[in-house]
Amino acid sequence: QLVLTQSPSASASLGASVKLTCTLSSGHSNSAIAWHQQQPEKGPRYLMRLNSDGSHNKGDGISDRFSGSSSGAERYLTISSLQSEDEADYYCQTWGTAIRIFGGGTKLTVL
Amino acid sequence: EVQLVESGGGLVQPGRSLRLSCATSGFIFGDYLMSWVRQAPGKGLEWVGFIRHKGYGGTTDYAASVKGRFIVSRDDSKSIAYLQMNSLKTDDTAVYYCVRDSGGVGDYWGQGTLVTVSS
Repeated sequence: QLVLTQSPSASASLGASVKLTCTLSSGHSNSAIAWHQQQPEKGPRYLMRLNSDGSHNKGDGISDRFSGSSSGAERYLTISSLQSEDEADYYCQTWGTAIRIFGGGTKLTVL
Repeated sequence: EVQLVESGGGLVQPGRSLRLSCATSGFIFGDYLMSWVRQAPGKGLEWVGFIRHKGYGGTTDYAASVKGRFIVSRDDSKSIAYLQMNSLKTDDTAVYYCVRDSGGVGDYWGQGTLVTVSS
């Protein structure tokens, strides 16, 4: 069964970098995912598609401060030069032919 | 500019029905699969269902939690997607988002519409 696992919370200081992790369940280490950001009281926004080889395609207008990388079953979202507006929930998402799946989300606090 | 605007949410009693609409613009609606995703208060995102484009038969798939109760449809002439919700339960209370799906990736989201199921 395809499952995405995320840590519930993360924190980092203003101006620093942070790396969020999304882990694919066993047997699905070659799957691509997408990252989405949800700022407080807003709808989600697509950030990027991230492939198993680490290549990624960002959505329209997404800052260069957001990047993705992969290692085995782990998919990462790195945010550099953290700003206050980066404080948000971050969700990873993947798909099958008849299903879409979301991770539980990581709440990022910018200190 | 791609836009998706949901409407039709509101307060509804358990067991009743409600239909949500998603009006779109800025892209060729008929070329895309359209999904619905919901978010219960204080919770994460949950995929509800989707409808494929006509090239794939306009077929649908649903999450187990709503299968048999919810129906996704589309009107390509109007660039609108619909979510018909029947036999509503209190657990269906959520903000419902319409999402454009590009090869599995939800690349554009609407602002959401709140559905509250309560007596």
